[in-house]
Amino acid sequence: KAGVTQTPRYLIKTRGQQVTLSCSPISGHRSVSWYQQTPGQGLQFLFEYFSETQRNKGNFPGRFSGRQFSNSRSEMNVSTLELGDSALYLCASSMGDRGHEQYFGPGTRLTVT
Amino acid sequence: AQSVAQPEDQVNVAEGNPLTVKCTYSVSGNPYLFWYVQYPNRGLQFLLKYITGDNLVKGSYGFEAEFNKSQTSFHLKKPSALVSDSALYFCAVREGYSTLTFGKGTMLLVSP
Repeated sequence: KAGVTQTPRYLIKTRGQQVTLSCSPISGHRSVSWYQQTPGQGLQFLFEYFSETQRNKGNFPGRFSGRQFSNSRSEMNVSTLELGDSALYLCASSMGDRGHEQYFGPGTRLTVT
Repeated sequence: AQSVAQPEDQVNVAEGNPLTVKCTYSVSGNPYLFWYVQYPNRGLQFLLKYITGDNLVKGSYGFEAEFNKSQTSFHLKKPSALVSDSALYFCAVREGYSTLTFGKGTMLLVSP
């Protein structure tokens, strides 16, 4: 079974631009979560989608948004990029039940200059 | 609110020796507990989880973890460390359908 895939793997943007990251979950998984990982802040939760509905949301500004499609694929968008948005963005999928483990993709490394 | 603490930023152990990576948690109800490992420039890999039942949980690559409700701990252990175990380890907790909360991570360094 194919793992979680994320595209693109690397991205360089300038301040003020916007970016869209994509995540394809493991086949059959209905839940997709997004995390931001930085050396200083560690792993911070962005949002979780389950069957196209946002189930949980982290404490990030409204510039960060996401959605999930009917095939469970998910996208996250960051508008008006800031230097502090430079990070590794990780997507994880699971079956969706509370006891189910999440499987992570390799991440998208975003650099904002 | 739920939280996870990994009190050690780094753990050093010699190859062949037992290793322990510590994790304590705080939830108001019953926890779902997880351990993940991250190798450089990679995503996180699932190691093991505790949902209910036996307090000793066995997982991938020879790792195991012991759930201790009275001490609210879920320490990761391995009887004999390998150099290839060197990586960043994360403990995570979830209560119900709340978010999965991760600890800050512990870097494990296994010396030859």
